[in-house]
Amino acid sequence: EPEVTQTPSHQVTQMGQEVILRCVPISNHLYFYWYRQILGQKVEFLVSFYNNEISEKSEIFDDQFSVERPDGSNFTLKIRSTKLEDSAMYFCASSEGGTSPSAEQYFGPGTRLTVT
Amino acid sequence: AQSVSQHNHHVILSEAASLELGCNYSYGGTVNLFWYVQYPGQHLQLLLKYFSGDPLVKGIKGFEAEFIKSKFSFNLRKPSVQWSDTAEYFCAVNAVNTGRRALTFGSGTRLQVQP
Repeated sequence: EPEVTQTPSHQVTQMGQEVILRCVPISNHLYFYWYRQILGQKVEFLVSFYNNEISEKSEIFDDQFSVERPDGSNFTLKIRSTKLEDSAMYFCASSEGGTSPSAEQYFGPGTRLTVT
Repeated sequence: AQSVSQHNHHVILSEAASLELGCNYSYGGTVNLFWYVQYPGQHLQLLLKYFSGDPLVKGIKGFEAEFIKSKFSFNLRKPSVQWSDTAEYFCAVNAVNTGRRALTFGSGTRLQVQP
């Protein structure tokens, strides 16, 4: 069964550094997403991406964050100038195309980001 | 904006007990509703979803959920749990007819099934 994969599984970085989290969505999917879960809190939506542009973003997704699909398979989340409060589990997801928002989102295993 | 409440944060059951996990949402319009499960060390997996039709939805592994529109609820049920159901369960919604696909999650319920 096709899966969403994410690398690395755990990333430790120092405050102020930039990190890039990588995701490989399911190959025939057209919508891509990033969510995060701060320890002990809810899973929160960050951004969705379709047709090479951001289709939706939350108030969390400010100028510190950016997303990119650098090639035909990878989908990345870049966090600039990391802060302690960016420490969280970051989940990538993907879903099929079409107009229905009920399309299932398939989640990756997550990258645990620790900012020290 | 929509929100989701899961009132049971941690549930402990013995094998063969019946399960019901509560989920209530707040949104004035039409929603799609989802239950996701996260087994220890694994990624979020979809258990079931509701977007229209029969309000009683059957999912994988013997789970079902009932959408009660008047109560803004989508409770998850299983008649007889197994030790392998130990996991964290998340209810989620997204709004229909807005073009938005973002899922809004509840805080999750940790289910511990004792053998």
